[in-house]
Amino acid sequence: NAGVMQNPRHLVRRRGQEARLRCSPMKGHSHVYWYRQLPEEGLKFMVYLQKENIIDESGMPKERFSAEFPKEGPSILRIQQVVRGDSAAYFCASSPRPRNTEAFFGQGTRLTVV
Amino acid sequence: QQQVKQSPQSLIVQKGGISIINCAYENTAFDYFPWYQQFPGKGPALLIAIRPDVSEKKEGRFTISFNKSAKQFSLHIMDSQPGDSATYFCAARLGAGNMLTFGGGTRLMVKP
Repeated sequence: NAGVMQNPRHLVRRRGQEARLRCSPMKGHSHVYWYRQLPEEGLKFMVYLQKENIIDESGMPKERFSAEFPKEGPSILRIQQVVRGDSAAYFCASSPRPRNTEAFFGQGTRLTVV
Repeated sequence: QQQVKQSPQSLIVQKGGISIINCAYENTAFDYFPWYQQFPGKGPALLIAIRPDVSEKKEGRFTISFNKSAKQFSLHIMDSQPGDSATYFCAARLGAGNMLTFGGGTRLMVKP
């Protein structure tokens, strides 16, 4: 029973390029949460998705960031025209129900913008 | 009102000692308070959690103390071991959804 799988584990992008981060939730989990962890800081909530729906995107930057969780396949966090300030660890978590359950975290994708 | 403040930022404890990490929150609507342990290069893993109707919860060497009136909670690690060296995050969750608000983290080092 694999845990939450994120790939790639490390991603290097030049300023202005696009970054695509993938998250496959645990089997049976249909709720996905993305968090960003800046160096030496705690995790900050970005977006909560169910299959084909964005439920809460209150933590997403207004520009350049988008997320999706299609009917088939992994959830994708997309960052367009990356800047140095986007360098961070991006974690995905999944849960089987929308509330009152533990969310399990993946190992994260470490994005470096050069 | 959504913030969770955590202290200290870093902590050094001798093997066998007690590690204490504190958190404070503002939003009284939070209804679930977990602690996460994170090793370098890994994702956070749930360590122990408490709800506000309980003042203390103990699991092995880990204890959460919860003070609802003061809006504070703390993690105590008894008999700290070098293998406990990691970053610890407190968090809080609102009733709707599983989204978490995290504290800033405490980097714990247990010296042998």
